[in-house]
Amino acid sequence: DVKVTQSSRYLVKRTGEKVFLECVQDMDHENMFWYRQDPGLGLRLIYFSYDVKMKEKGDIPEGYSVSREKKERFSLILESASTNQTSMYLCASSHPILYTADTQYFGPGTRLTVL
Amino acid sequence: EDKVVQSPLSLVVHEGDTVTLNCSYEVTNFRSLLWYKQEKKAPTFLFMLTSSGIEKKSGRLSSILDKKELFSILNITATQTGDSAVYLCAVVIGYGGATNKLIFGTGTLLAVQP
Repeated sequence: DVKVTQSSRYLVKRTGEKVFLECVQDMDHENMFWYRQDPGLGLRLIYFSYDVKMKEKGDIPEGYSVSREKKERFSLILESASTNQTSMYLCASSHPILYTADTQYFGPGTRLTVL
Repeated sequence: EDKVVQSPLSLVVHEGDTVTLNCSYEVTNFRSLLWYKQEKKAPTFLFMLTSSGIEKKSGRLSSILDKKELFSILNITATQTGDSAVYLCAVVIGYGGATNKLIFGTGTLLAVQP
């Protein structure tokens, strides 16, 4: 079974703090993704990566950066957290072979609250 | 602008009822449509649909895609309280591999009462 894990289930930070969200997958997937999920807005793509050290902006990259130093690990960084970044953050991974690439497997999510 | 719209936004039914959830889309470079079930955790994959008219089935759940009318439905028969969840529809767009992207709908919240 594919396993995607995220470093924290719940996180509370203060405005202006630097925040790291870690995601690790154990299925040797090339593609990894970070989403945020907000009520009424669904899942929105922040950044994705299709290889080590490669990254692409998603739909809402502002205020975020990412790091992919190893294939299995994809980190989301909030350089200076703000209250409007309070959200549920979901990491996903997929394998780029034929249509298998379309199926993304999700981690359990990190609920981040910025005070 | 690519968009995926789900309806209804929420639904309350009784155990044993049959429900139909809708997902319509307007996107460029359609590749496939995915259904996920999300309880109080990460979305779990249900179905991937790529061809029109071919029903995918898993137990009491089934789904079908109409690429001409640009929609999909998810049916759940003989609902149980364990079916209570948010059901997410996502459309994959792109040219394959690294360029693929998922566009999610806002989800349908299903509550099944005993």
